[in-house]
Amino acid sequence: DVKVTQSSRYLVKRTGEKVFLECVQDMDHENMFWYRQDPGLGLRLIYFSYDVKMKEKGDIPEGYSVSREKKERFSLILESASTNQTSMYLCASSPGDTGGFTDTQYFGPGTRLTVL
Amino acid sequence: RKEVEQDPGPFNVPEGATVAFNCTYSNSASQSFFWYRQDCRKEPKLLMSVYSSGNEDGRFTAQLNRASQYISLLIRDSKLSDSATYLCVASSGGYQKVTFGTGTKLQVIP
Repeated sequence: DVKVTQSSRYLVKRTGEKVFLECVQDMDHENMFWYRQDPGLGLRLIYFSYDVKMKEKGDIPEGYSVSREKKERFSLILESASTNQTSMYLCASSPGDTGGFTDTQYFGPGTRLTVL
Repeated sequence: RKEVEQDPGPFNVPEGATVAFNCTYSNSASQSFFWYRQDCRKEPKLLMSVYSSGNEDGRFTAQLNRASQYISLLIRDSKLSDSATYLCVASSGGYQKVTFGTGTKLQVIP
Protein backbone atom coordinates (compact mmCIF):
# COMPACT_ATOMS: atom_id res chain seq x y z
CA ASP A 1 0.00 0.00 0.00
CA VAL A 2 1.12 3.50 -0.78
CA LYS A 3 1.72 5.47 2.34
CA VAL A 4 1.81 9.25 2.50
CA THR A 5 2.43 10.74 5.91
CA GLN A 6 2.25 14.31 7.11
CA SER A 7 4.16 15.66 10.06
CA SER A 8 1.19 16.94 12.06
CA ARG A 9 -2.57 16.36 12.12
CA TYR A 10 -3.31 19.62 13.91
CA LEU A 11 -1.23 22.77 14.16
CA VAL A 12 -1.92 26.16 15.75
CA LYS A 13 0.33 29.08 14.86
CA ARG A 14 0.31 32.83 15.32
CA THR A 15 0.16 35.45 12.60
CA GLY A 16 3.62 36.17 11.24
CA GLU A 17 5.17 32.87 12.28
CA LYS A 18 7.07 30.74 9.79
CA VAL A 19 5.36 27.39 9.37
CA PHE A 20 6.76 24.15 7.96
CA LEU A 21 4.49 21.33 6.84
CA GLU A 22 6.27 18.12 5.92
CA CYS A 23 5.14 15.25 3.75
CA VAL A 24 6.82 11.90 3.16
CA GLN A 25 5.86 9.14 0.72
CA ASP A 26 7.29 5.64 0.72
CA MET A 27 6.52 4.44 -2.82
CA ASP A 28 9.27 6.09 -4.83
CA HIS A 29 6.71 8.30 -6.60
CA GLU A 30 7.97 10.96 -8.98
CA ASN A 31 5.27 13.54 -8.34
CA MET A 32 4.25 15.24 -5.13
CA PHE A 33 1.59 17.87 -4.48
CA TRP A 34 0.35 20.29 -1.88
CA TYR A 35 -3.33 21.26 -1.77
CA ARG A 36 -5.50 23.20 0.58
CA GLN A 37 -9.13 22.29 1.11
CA ASP A 38 -11.71 24.82 2.22
CA PRO A 39 -15.50 24.47 2.54
CA GLY A 40 -17.25 25.40 -0.68
CA LEU A 41 -13.97 25.77 -2.57
CA GLY A 42 -12.82 22.18 -2.81
CA LEU A 43 -9.19 21.20 -3.21
CA ARG A 44 -6.93 23.82 -4.71
CA LEU A 45 -3.40 23.09 -5.87
CA ILE A 46 -0.71 25.21 -4.23
CA TYR A 47 2.49 23.69 -5.66
CA PHE A 48 3.64 20.45 -7.15
CA SER A 49 6.95 18.80 -7.89
CA TYR A 50 7.75 16.26 -10.59
CA ASP A 51 11.36 15.64 -9.58
CA VAL A 52 13.85 16.35 -6.86
CA LYS A 53 14.62 20.08 -6.64
CA MET A 54 11.93 20.80 -9.25
CA LYS A 55 8.74 22.71 -8.43
CA GLU A 56 5.84 24.23 -10.29
CA LYS A 57 3.23 26.71 -9.14
CA GLY A 58 -0.32 25.58 -8.89
CA ASP A 59 -3.43 27.74 -8.77
CA ILE A 60 -2.77 29.53 -5.48
CA PRO A 61 1.00 29.74 -4.76
CA GLU A 62 0.97 33.21 -3.20
CA GLY A 63 2.20 33.20 0.38
CA TYR A 64 3.70 29.72 0.08
CA SER A 65 6.96 28.13 -0.97
CA VAL A 66 8.08 24.51 -1.23
CA SER A 67 11.19 22.43 -0.98
CA ARG A 68 12.01 19.01 -2.37
CA GLU A 69 15.55 18.02 -1.51
CA LYS A 70 14.88 14.28 -1.50
CA LYS A 71 12.51 12.28 -3.66
CA GLU A 72 10.39 11.05 -0.76
CA ARG A 73 9.98 14.39 1.03
CA PHE A 74 8.07 17.51 0.01
CA SER A 75 7.81 20.46 2.37
CA LEU A 76 5.37 23.35 2.30
CA ILE A 77 6.52 26.60 3.88
CA LEU A 78 4.42 29.52 4.97
CA GLU A 79 6.97 32.32 5.26
CA SER A 80 4.73 34.54 7.37
CA ALA A 81 1.48 32.89 8.34
CA SER A 82 -1.73 34.87 8.00
CA THR A 83 -5.25 34.14 9.23
CA ASN A 84 -6.48 33.51 5.68
CA GLN A 85 -4.11 30.55 5.52
CA THR A 86 -6.17 28.73 8.14
CA SER A 87 -7.18 25.59 6.26
CA MET A 88 -6.80 21.85 5.81
CA TYR A 89 -3.56 21.10 3.96
CA LEU A 90 -3.32 17.88 2.03
CA CYS A 91 -0.20 16.38 0.54
CA ALA A 92 -0.41 13.85 -2.30
CA SER A 93 1.91 11.80 -4.47
CA SER A 94 1.54 9.98 -7.77
CA PRO A 95 3.72 7.59 -9.75
CA GLY A 96 4.20 9.93 -12.69
CA ASP A 97 4.84 7.34 -15.37
CA THR A 98 1.73 7.75 -17.51
CA GLY A 99 3.14 9.56 -20.50
CA GLY A 100 1.72 12.93 -19.64
CA PHE A 101 -1.76 11.86 -18.60
CA THR A 102 -2.94 12.55 -15.11
CA ASP A 103 -2.55 9.53 -12.87
CA THR A 104 -3.96 8.50 -9.51
CA GLN A 105 -3.01 10.66 -6.58
CA TYR A 106 -2.53 9.21 -3.11
CA PHE A 107 -3.24 11.60 -0.28
CA GLY A 108 -1.84 11.97 3.19
CA PRO A 109 -4.17 12.35 6.20
CA GLY A 110 -4.00 16.14 6.13
CA THR A 111 -2.85 18.86 8.52
CA ARG A 112 -5.48 21.17 9.94
CA LEU A 113 -3.68 24.48 10.40
CA THR A 114 -5.17 27.29 12.44
CA VAL A 115 -3.50 30.69 12.32
CA LEU A 116 -4.53 33.00 15.16
CA ARG B 1 -18.57 29.41 -13.68
CA LYS B 2 -16.60 26.73 -11.87
CA GLU B 3 -14.54 24.40 -14.05
CA VAL B 4 -15.98 21.35 -12.34
CA GLU B 5 -19.43 21.59 -10.79
CA GLN B 6 -21.18 19.19 -8.49
CA ASP B 7 -24.42 19.34 -6.56
CA PRO B 8 -23.23 19.56 -2.94
CA GLY B 9 -26.22 17.58 -1.66
CA PRO B 10 -26.66 16.08 0.84
CA PHE B 11 -28.30 13.15 -0.83
CA ASN B 12 -30.13 11.20 1.87
CA VAL B 13 -31.05 7.73 0.63
CA PRO B 14 -32.25 4.56 2.35
CA GLU B 15 -30.12 1.44 2.44
CA GLY B 16 -30.51 -0.60 -0.71
CA ALA B 17 -31.45 2.36 -2.89
CA THR B 18 -29.78 3.33 -6.13
CA VAL B 19 -28.35 6.83 -6.28
CA ALA B 20 -26.68 8.76 -9.08
CA PHE B 21 -24.49 11.86 -9.05
CA ASN B 22 -23.59 14.00 -12.00
CA CYS B 23 -20.62 16.28 -12.42
CA THR B 24 -20.21 18.80 -15.23
CA TYR B 25 -16.92 20.14 -16.52
CA SER B 26 -16.40 23.25 -18.60
CA ASN B 27 -13.02 22.59 -20.22
CA SER B 28 -13.63 20.67 -23.45
CA ALA B 29 -9.93 19.73 -23.51
CA SER B 30 -10.35 17.59 -20.39
CA GLN B 31 -9.18 14.07 -21.08
CA SER B 32 -8.83 12.29 -17.72
CA PHE B 33 -11.63 11.88 -15.21
CA PHE B 34 -11.86 10.35 -11.77
CA TRP B 35 -14.15 9.88 -8.81
CA TYR B 36 -12.59 10.14 -5.37
CA ARG B 37 -14.27 9.34 -2.09
CA GLN B 38 -13.65 11.38 1.04
CA ASP B 39 -14.89 10.25 4.43
CA CYS B 40 -15.52 12.81 7.13
CA ARG B 41 -12.22 14.23 8.44
CA LYS B 42 -10.23 11.89 6.21
CA GLU B 43 -8.20 12.27 3.05
CA PRO B 44 -9.63 11.68 -0.45
CA LYS B 45 -9.08 8.22 -1.90
CA LEU B 46 -9.50 7.13 -5.48
CA LEU B 47 -12.80 5.36 -6.05
CA MET B 48 -12.49 4.84 -9.78
CA SER B 49 -11.17 6.29 -12.99
CA VAL B 50 -13.74 7.13 -15.66
CA TYR B 51 -13.14 5.78 -19.14
CA SER B 52 -14.80 6.82 -22.39
CA SER B 53 -16.54 3.48 -22.66
CA GLY B 54 -17.80 3.64 -19.09
CA ASN B 55 -16.64 1.30 -16.38
CA GLU B 56 -18.08 -0.71 -13.56
CA ASP B 57 -16.62 -1.87 -10.28
CA GLY B 58 -19.04 -3.95 -8.26
CA ARG B 59 -21.94 -1.73 -7.23
CA PHE B 60 -20.34 1.38 -8.76
CA THR B 61 -20.67 2.48 -12.37
CA ALA B 62 -19.02 5.53 -13.90
CA GLN B 63 -19.99 7.05 -17.23
CA LEU B 64 -18.53 9.83 -19.36
CA ASN B 65 -20.58 11.93 -21.75
CA ARG B 66 -18.19 14.06 -23.77
CA ALA B 67 -20.88 15.68 -25.90
CA SER B 68 -22.63 17.12 -22.85
CA GLN B 69 -19.44 17.39 -20.80
CA TYR B 70 -20.47 15.48 -17.74
CA ILE B 71 -19.49 12.40 -15.85
CA SER B 72 -21.74 10.36 -13.63
CA LEU B 73 -21.45 7.93 -10.76
CA LEU B 74 -24.14 5.37 -10.06
CA ILE B 75 -24.22 3.45 -6.80
CA ARG B 76 -26.51 0.44 -6.60
CA ASP B 77 -27.73 -1.26 -3.42
CA SER B 78 -26.42 1.54 -1.19
CA LYS B 79 -24.72 0.53 2.05
CA LEU B 80 -24.35 2.54 5.22
CA SER B 81 -20.60 2.46 4.56
CA ASP B 82 -21.11 4.36 1.29
CA SER B 83 -21.86 7.50 3.31
CA ALA B 84 -19.13 9.95 2.31
CA THR B 85 -18.41 12.91 0.06
CA TYR B 86 -17.73 12.04 -3.57
CA LEU B 87 -15.30 14.29 -5.44
CA CYS B 88 -15.30 14.58 -9.20
CA VAL B 89 -11.96 15.30 -10.90
CA ALA B 90 -11.24 16.44 -14.45
CA SER B 91 -7.86 16.99 -16.02
CA SER B 92 -6.78 18.41 -19.38
CA GLY B 93 -3.33 16.92 -19.02
CA GLY B 94 -0.45 17.82 -16.79
CA TYR B 95 -0.81 18.53 -13.13
CA GLN B 96 -1.57 22.22 -13.46
CA LYS B 97 -4.78 21.28 -15.18
CA VAL B 98 -6.26 18.98 -12.55
CA THR B 99 -9.49 20.38 -11.13
CA PHE B 100 -11.41 18.92 -8.23
CA GLY B 101 -15.10 19.50 -7.74
CA THR B 102 -16.30 20.60 -4.32
CA GLY B 103 -17.94 17.23 -3.72
CA THR B 104 -21.37 15.69 -3.31
CA LYS B 105 -22.30 14.44 0.13
CA LEU B 106 -24.11 11.13 0.40
CA GLN B 107 -25.81 9.94 3.56
CA VAL B 108 -27.20 6.41 3.51
CA ILE B 109 -29.90 5.98 6.12
CA PRO B 110 -30.80 2.68 7.86
